[in-house]
Amino acid sequence: AQSVTQLGSHVSVSEGALVLLRCNYSSSVPPYLFWYVQYPNQGLQLLLKYTSAATLVKGINGFEAEFKKSETSFHLTKPSAHMSDAAEYFCAVSDRFGNEKLTFGTGTRLTIIP
Amino acid sequence: ETGVTQSPTHLIKTRGQQVTLRCSSQSGHNTVSWYQQALGQGPQFIFQYYREEENGRGNFPPRFSGLQFPNYSSELNVNALELDDSALYLCASSFSGNQPQHFGDGTRLSIL
Repeated sequence: AQSVTQLGSHVSVSEGALVLLRCNYSSSVPPYLFWYVQYPNQGLQLLLKYTSAATLVKGINGFEAEFKKSETSFHLTKPSAHMSDAAEYFCAVSDRFGNEKLTFGTGTRLTIIP
Repeated sequence: ETGVTQSPTHLIKTRGQQVTLRCSSQSGHNTVSWYQQALGQGPQFIFQYYREEENGRGNFPPRFSGLQFPNYSSELNVNALELDDSALYLCASSFSGNQPQHFGDGTRLSIL
């Protein structure tokens, strides 16, 4: 069975500060990992995906994540937070390239302080 | 390129009723997955359809059923609605083998 754990259900950062959202995974097979963002009253938008190529993955809106097998982590970062980054962020894992079921974490709500 | 569209956007039902939710997949996509997102939770996988056949199911009872049509659009049917079925229902489509899932904006179902 696969699972992800998102540490911190709420994270607040000041505008312009570093954003760090934590995700640890558990998988018995090589995982495929994803970060999705959800704005209020909307569906999920893919930020980035790890598919066993480069361990540092760059996504949209200036976000990136690094796959660390030794730490079973896939943390999401952005060097400088913008007000428009305020949203709910979900880490997800699958055991094939996105077409098997996605198992999501419980989400992290990111608040940006002006 | 048309994205994933879901209808209706909101729905209110009472316990014991039946509901059908609809999803049009993104152009070129042949796989549709359905997820249930309860308030304050991450989405939970319900089932997936590939070329009109069920291709995996999560831990949901049989009163949750689905269909996929030849044009790859899909329906989610829920019978004997319960209060706990209140949630945002998300549809996601993909092209098997090489693409991640793309999500619609969901249908918010409220059970009274």
